[in-house]
Amino acid sequence: GAVVSQHPSWVICKSGTSVKIECRSLDFQATTMFWYRQFPKQSLMLMATSNEGSKATYEQGVEKDKFLINHASLTLSTLTVTSAHPEDSSFYICSARDLAHRGNQPQHFGDGTRLSIL
Amino acid sequence: GQNIDQPTEMTATEGAIVQINCTYQTSGFNGLFWYQQHAGEAPTFLSYNVLDGLEEKGRFSSFLSRSKGYSYLLLKELQMKDSASYLCAVRDSNYQLIWGAGTKLIIKP
Repeated sequence: GAVVSQHPSWVICKSGTSVKIECRSLDFQATTMFWYRQFPKQSLMLMATSNEGSKATYEQGVEKDKFLINHASLTLSTLTVTSAHPEDSSFYICSARDLAHRGNQPQHFGDGTRLSIL
Repeated sequence: GQNIDQPTEMTATEGAIVQINCTYQTSGFNGLFWYQQHAGEAPTFLSYNVLDGLEEKGRFSSFLSRSKGYSYLLLKELQMKDSASYLCAVRDSNYQLIWGAGTKLIIKP
């Protein structure tokens, strides 16, 4: 159980394009989802915390107008990278917190999205 | 502030044992977690400690001392596939996960 589906797994697009990444909890409800970014050979960096039905909380240094987060339901959060540029190329990972806090895992991770901006 | 420290990189030999340490200073404590992350993949859950002591799961064990703010992950009978980054994370009083920077483990034949 506790599966998180992230889509797409790989995106290559031109500079200036907006890219949407979806994160779905398949078999549990998640009031809170997290969006991370990871550059090559670096650790996970939390970008924002997405709360169902309310505005996301962004970490310091993350532009909220560039990285739009929507968490419209208990099973879906989306991250839209607007007007993407080559420096936005990275590995984006979402995770979800089980509403029922089942098990010992605090967050369940999606498989990640590799974004390459040309 | 909140802080989690773990070594940046470690090297070990196939078949040997390695211990990866993690020290933490957080606002409250509601559990410590270890994750494994292979390059280009998302983290996968390894272990969870909330009480002092050792938790064993196959070749992997994790230890916690809350009074010392200290944990370690012990990997036995190392295999080449264990080459990965190992992330220590602490859940604070607000149930937020505070992440360490990760330890890159290199296994040599």
